[in-house]
Amino acid sequence: EVQLVESGGGLVKPGGSLRLSCAASGFTFDNFGMNWVRQAPGKGLEWVSCITGSSDYIYYADSVKGRFTVSRDNAKNSLYLQMNSLRAEDTAVYYCARGGGYSFVDYWGQGILVTVSS
Amino acid sequence: EIVLTQSPGTLSLSPGERATLSCRASRSVSSSYLAWYQQRPGQAPRLLIYGASSRATGIPDRFSGSGSGTDFTLTISRLEPEDFAVYYCQQFDSSRFTFGQGTKLEIK
Repeated sequence: EVQLVESGGGLVKPGGSLRLSCAASGFTFDNFGMNWVRQAPGKGLEWVSCITGSSDYIYYADSVKGRFTVSRDNAKNSLYLQMNSLRAEDTAVYYCARGGGYSFVDYWGQGILVTVSS
Repeated sequence: EIVLTQSPGTLSLSPGERATLSCRASRSVSSSYLAWYQQRPGQAPRLLIYGASSRATGIPDRFSGSGSGTDFTLTISRLEPEDFAVYYCQQFDSSRFTFGQGTKLEIK
């Protein structure tokens, strides 16, 4: 059974940093691209970043480029999102999600809340 | 950037009725790169349809997807109580994912 479990969320002040982690199990982790998708309170879904299985290719949404860094450790079956220079508008539930094929997401974690507030 | 516009914003129907949800793209999308998700309150999204018309694993056959170019449709043939949720379309282009704003399917 595919499982994705996020951790590392919480309350942080504007301008601060936070590192999210996602522990994956139930599949061969390095065979799959991985994504971060976020959802602000009461709003829709926003794709944040993706990374290929071997970390060869990494992409970001314009809204986070230059502030967020995605990485993975295939030996630990883990995905990470380093978030710097956080803003109030980064407040959201962040989902770790497995890439299904090339162009969609087939499994999602339960999500972790990040709140940016003074 | 391709913008996806979903309509209607809210759809009020009764169990047993047929639901038709629309997703329109600002320019042509490859059918291979169009997906639909369901999100129930308090839960993570769930993949329903990929490649515009292929059902994901475990998705009941009352869910179907169709369309091409700029116009795509998700149809639920006979609504069950658990189908009342928010639905999102999503496309992939230039190594970016974008989502529509969602359609809320509510019980009438």
